[in-house]
Amino acid sequence: GENVEQHPSTLSVQEGDSAVIKCTYSDSASNYFPWYKQELGKRPQLIIDIRSNVGEKKDQRIAVTLNKTAKHFSLHITETQPEDSAVYFCAASTGGTSYDKVIFGPGTSLSVIP
Amino acid sequence: GAVVSQHPSRVICKSGTSVKIECRSLDFQATTMFWYRQFPKQSLMLMATSNEGSKATYEQGVEKDKFLINHASLTLSTLTVTSAHPEDSSFYICSASKGTGELFFGEGSRLTVL
Repeated sequence: GENVEQHPSTLSVQEGDSAVIKCTYSDSASNYFPWYKQELGKRPQLIIDIRSNVGEKKDQRIAVTLNKTAKHFSLHITETQPEDSAVYFCAASTGGTSYDKVIFGPGTSLSVIP
Repeated sequence: GAVVSQHPSRVICKSGTSVKIECRSLDFQATTMFWYRQFPKQSLMLMATSNEGSKATYEQGVEKDKFLINHASLTLSTLTVTSAHPEDSSFYICSASKGTGELFFGEGSRLTVL
C-alpha cells in the first residue's frame, strides 16, 4: 500500500520567513496530493491540493510543487505569520474520488516565532 | 458547504464497556466515509473505509470485531468501540468525501477509557 514520508518533523521559522515541508510517496499510482493544517485539538483543514497533471499550484502565500518522476511533493509557505503555527500533514491518494482512501504523512509541527 | 458533524466530542467510559461515535454529513451525501485514529502528536492513521450499505473495509492491523463500523445511510456512519480498554483511548476522527477527493473532517471524538 501507499506510504507517505514527511520532513522535517518540526520546523521553527521567524515571522516573515519562508517555510518548506517535503514529502515523498511510494505508490506511483497516486495522483492526488492534498495538504492539511491541524491546529491543536481541532479537525484538519485542507489548505491546498495538487493533482498529478499539474506541476505547481499557488494560492496566495501557499504553494505546492509536485515531481511525479521522483515521487515527491513540497509545501511552501511564504511570509509566515504566527497564525501559520500548526501541524501540517501531506497526503496521497490514488484516485481523488469518493472511494479512494487518503494516506497521511507523519506531520510537521511548524512554529512561527514573532 | 460541506459540513461533517461528529459526536460525542469527548467520552469517558469504564473498561469493558462499549462506546458509539456518530459521524454525519449535514449538507451533502457521503457515499464513503473514513475513520481515522490519532494519538497525541502523531499522524492520522486510517482505520477503515465505510461505504453506505456495505461492510466496511478495514486497514491491516485494525480489529474489525473491536471497531464496529456501520454506514446505514448516505449521511451517517457510526464507529462502536466494543469492550473498550485503556489502550483504546485516543482521538477518533471521521471524514467524508464529496467526490472530489478532498476530505471533510468531523470535529473528532476524544475517548478516555478508565
